Amino acid sequence: GDSVTQMEGPVTLSEEAFLTINCTYTATGYPSLFWYVQYPGEGLQLLLKATKADDKGSNKGFEATYRKETTSFHLEKGSVQVSDSAVYFCALKLSGGGADGLTFGKGTHLIIQP
Amino acid sequence: DGGITQSPKYLFRKEGQNVTLSCEQNLNHDAMYWYRQDPGQGLRLIYYSQIVNDFQKGDIAEGYSVSREKKESFPLTVTSAQKNPTAFYLCASSPPGQGGSPLHFGNGTRLTVT
Repeated sequence: GDSVTQMEGPVTLSEEAFLTINCTYTATGYPSLFWYVQYPGEGLQLLLKATKADDKGSNKGFEATYRKETTSFHLEKGSVQVSDSAVYFCALKLSGGGADGLTFGKGTHLIIQP
Repeated sequence: DGGITQSPKYLFRKEGQNVTLSCEQNLNHDAMYWYRQDPGQGLRLIYYSQIVNDFQKGDIAEGYSVSREKKESFPLTVTSAQKNPTAFYLCASSPPGQGGSPLHFGNGTRLTVT
């Protein structure tokens, strides 16, 4: 079946450090890929997405590139802030419409220290 | 503004009681979903519905029931048959068809059963 694997957390960084959160996937079809962010006590918000190979999604300084050859969609940010502390989820949705929603990774808890 | 409203935010019940979680959306989306979130386990799909009066079981449907009588509403009932009902429940919706369409999430309901 389809699956998403993320690096285990928590990930603790100092403010202004470079961030990478790894995400790899297995899928039977050609998926669209997503990163969601969840702040404490809230639902998930879409951070960025990519729908085909070599697409780069970007938002709020975060970027991720759809790498079909390595089945990866790593999240990066050049300089993190305390306000980026949250849980980040990588997810996929099959190109056939994904009628049963998204397949999520287990989430990576990011802690940014001032 | 359009969005998804889940209520209540916190819910407390005694063991053996059924409880219904509300989810309403005004995004005019056809598809709606219920996920359960537990620490360290990411999101798991409980039920989903592509159109009114139709719904499908997800990966962990046992002990839950849903209805979809209106496009805007997709309530989830946690029955006494659910062995471990204490969790954070998230409702989501998406527009029809395309795999690249992201899911939009509500802010969740935290259910505690004692």
